[in-house]
Amino acid sequence: QSALTQPASVSGSPGQSITISCTGTSSDVGGYNYVSWYQQHPGKAPKLMIYDVSYRPSGVSNRFSGSKSGNTASLTISGLQAEDEADYYCSSYTSNSTRVFGGGTKLTVL
Amino acid sequence: EMQLVESGGGLVQPGGSLRLSCAASGFSFSSYAMTWVRQAPGKGLEWVSGITSGGSTYYADSLKGQFTTSRDNSKNTLYLQMNSLRAEDTAVYYCAKMGIHFIDYWGQGTLVTVSS
Repeated sequence: QSALTQPASVSGSPGQSITISCTGTSSDVGGYNYVSWYQQHPGKAPKLMIYDVSYRPSGVSNRFSGSKSGNTASLTISGLQAEDEADYYCSSYTSNSTRVFGGGTKLTVL
Repeated sequence: EMQLVESGGGLVQPGGSLRLSCAASGFSFSSYAMTWVRQAPGKGLEWVSGITSGGSTYYADSLKGQFTTSRDNSKNTLYLQMNSLRAEDTAVYYCAKMGIHFIDYWGQGTLVTVSS
């Protein structure tokens, strides 16, 4: 199972919006509405930000949103804040009942 | 309060074995699928294995036959038996609780270092 493809890095200024893409195949991202997104600050465990493509867990800011089109899922962060600077990973359920992560995207808030 | 506490990590020689444990509390452990995820130093997350509430197991293709995941619901504990360890298995290993198709809670991780 190959890792999902994410951009290595994205950046934005405070208040701006950014979008991180996550590209897979019809055997994972495209085949199921089971894409999730995780935020990880340095030295910390990851935190769930989005599940099932577009649902936000309780306590996650509504500045975070998710979507999917075909084999590509996206995470959008609006109103960028300094605290959003972190690594972001997508993950998907796969056709053989396993999970796969993306390579991760480093978000820099300028 | 929900807690997942990993233990058993450390330094092991190439070719050696190690068993990780994950003690769960604050939720009905037996009702949930669990998973292991690892992260090599400076690298991204890698899904390792999963186990359903009923005990069915799933593994990353690259790790089949090398790692074995099990659970003891009477002890609220998840295990990862790792054999034939190689340098590339060096990573922080996270235990995590599954929602339906996503990880909704992560432990703090335990570091495994494979080196002579």
